[in-house]
Amino acid sequence: AQTVTQSQPEMSVQEAETVTLSCTYDTSENNYYLFWYKQPPSRQMILVIRQEAYKQQNATENRFSVNFQKAAKSFSLKISDSQLGDTAMYFCAFRYSGNTPLVFGKGTRLSVIA
Amino acid sequence: DTAVSQTPKYLVTQMGNDKSIKCEQNLGHDTMYWYKQDSKKFLKIMFSYNNKELIINETVPNRFSPKSPDKAHLNLHINSLELGDSAVYFCASSQDAGQGGSPLHFGNGTRLTVT
Repeated sequence: AQTVTQSQPEMSVQEAETVTLSCTYDTSENNYYLFWYKQPPSRQMILVIRQEAYKQQNATENRFSVNFQKAAKSFSLKISDSQLGDTAMYFCAFRYSGNTPLVFGKGTRLSVIA
Repeated sequence: DTAVSQTPKYLVTQMGNDKSIKCEQNLGHDTMYWYKQDSKKFLKIMFSYNNKELIINETVPNRFSPKSPDKAHLNLHINSLELGDSAVYFCASSQDAGQGGSPLHFGNGTRLTVT
């Protein structure tokens, strides 16, 4: 079964700085999808960014970008120009296509400091 | 116009009681899920339904019974509640027919507290 590992339980960053959250995963398949979700204190699960494994180009969404290294099975999230509203739990997640669930990492708690 | 809505938002009950959590999605998605988030924030899949059919049933006590009356609804009934059932339960949905790896859309969660 696939596993997702987030090695940083907690991180902090100064407002306006850049921070990178790490994620590695394990699978023997070649076709899969990776996601980062954000969970602020409000408890909502918010999709931040999505990456298809067959695409070499790294996904970007405004201040959020990923560094996808397929051979290394690594999928890190970079947040540029950090804002106070970025304070949240960040979950890396993995799924195959079709009727398969998302498998989550244990999360990284990010605090943005003014 | 909430995409995935679940009720109630909070549920406080005593051990031994039976309770239900309801979930509805108006996105037209064909797959729905229940996840449990424990006190350490770990999210674990419990059940998944595709077009009203159960397709994933993880190692969950049989006190938990999902019911999907139609593809827009997936309810979770829990019998004989125990202290260890205290958690946040999330409903989610995704559109998988003909599409690969679409993201899951989550409800806002139900915090269940068993005393």
